[in-house]
Amino acid sequence: NAGVTQTPKFRILKIGQSMTLQCAQDMNHNYMYWYRQDPGMGLKLIYYSVGAGITDKGEVPNGYNVSRSTTEDFPLRLELAAPSQTSVYFCASRTNEKLFFGSGTQLSVL
Amino acid sequence: GESVGLHLPTLSVQEGDNSIINCAYSNSASDYFIWYKQESGKGPQFIIDIRSNMDKRQGQRVTVLLNKTVKHLSLQIAATQPGDSAVYFCAEWSTRAQKLVFGQGTRLTINP
Repeated sequence: NAGVTQTPKFRILKIGQSMTLQCAQDMNHNYMYWYRQDPGMGLKLIYYSVGAGITDKGEVPNGYNVSRSTTEDFPLRLELAAPSQTSVYFCASRTNEKLFFGSGTQLSVL
Repeated sequence: GESVGLHLPTLSVQEGDNSIINCAYSNSASDYFIWYKQESGKGPQFIIDIRSNMDKRQGQRVTVLLNKTVKHLSLQIAATQPGDSAVYFCAEWSTRAQKLVFGQGTRLTINP
């Protein structure tokens, strides 16, 4: 199993551009999560999904959108990138209470 | 509201010594706590967990202690090694919300 795979690893965006951060897991987990991590801080929940076709907002959803058309994939969409969205983004999937994290996407908005 | 915090942002210990990382939480209804290790450029990695009906749990070189009276959680790492250098996060599982709430993190540095 590859676990949780995120792409890309790094990206630089200009203000106002849009992009999609990809996340895929091959563990057949129903629950998936998107977190952002600012420097020196813990992780904050952006969106989560309890299964295909179901998504819900976390603590900091503004400026982001998600979809969950399959169990495996949970992409995160930024429509109008802003400097405040410069961060490291982690996707995770869950079995019981244990979360398994991807290696992250480092995003800079300039 | 829910919050999990840490007492110290940085901790340095000599290689071979034991280290203790502390964490305070505020939600007395939480029933599950987890410690994660995050190395530079990587996602958080599960270390050890403990349920609220326990006060101690041991793993390989790591022990987690839970004191529900004062809402305090600690991670003890025995005989630290250079590979233990990382940021350590405690996290609180909210069964109601089905999500983890993370603390700010403690950076542990192992000195040779």
